[in-house]
Amino acid sequence: AQKITQTQPGMFVQEKEAVTLDCTYDTSDPSYGLFWYKQPSSGEMIFLIYQGSYDQQNATEGRYSLNFQKARKSANLVISASQLGDSAMYFCAMVGANNLFFGTGTRLTVIP
Amino acid sequence: GAGVSQSPRYKVAKRGQDVALRCDPISGHVSLFWYQQALGQGPEFLTYFQNEAQLDKSGLPSDRFFAERPEGSVSTLKIQRTQQEDSAVYLCASSLGGQGYEQYFGPGTRLTVT
Repeated sequence: AQKITQTQPGMFVQEKEAVTLDCTYDTSDPSYGLFWYKQPSSGEMIFLIYQGSYDQQNATEGRYSLNFQKARKSANLVISASQLGDSAMYFCAMVGANNLFFGTGTRLTVIP
Repeated sequence: GAGVSQSPRYKVAKRGQDVALRCDPISGHVSLFWYQQALGQGPEFLTYFQNEAQLDKSGLPSDRFFAERPEGSVSTLKIQRTQQEDSAVYLCASSLGGQGYEQYFGPGTRLTVT
């Protein structure tokens, strides 16, 4: 069975600074995928970044990068140069058999 | 282009009423997923369709929950005899394929059962 753990209920970051949101996972599958989604107050889940377990390099998408440490089973999201619009809930998720398993999320607040 | 749409965006139901929540996926997307998101929690899987076939309904919490996608496009999640614990945001997502493909989410329907 898959499990996603996000241990930071809330995080604060100064505008223009970088922030790391933690995510650890557990699975017995040798091949798996990890996602990060952003959920602003409007409620829609917005895809940010994807990392496959066999990908040789850490995924990057603009200001988002994924610090993937397979041996530690961690997939932390790094947001560089934070903007006020980054304030939202962030969810780490793992691909299951037919669905995504989500963590409990981290609420990020960017301070001007 | 058009994303995933859901209607209604908000629904208030009295306990015991039946409700129907609609999801319009992105055109051409084979897979459709329903999730339930309780306040302060991450989304939890309810059910999965590939075209019109419901391949997984293991997440449906009780037999009061029923989902269909008769023509492989629009899907409806029906909850019969609603209970207060059904209050949540119901999210629909669609993707081109199955496992590993990015899921595109709709804005959700916030259901409040009074």
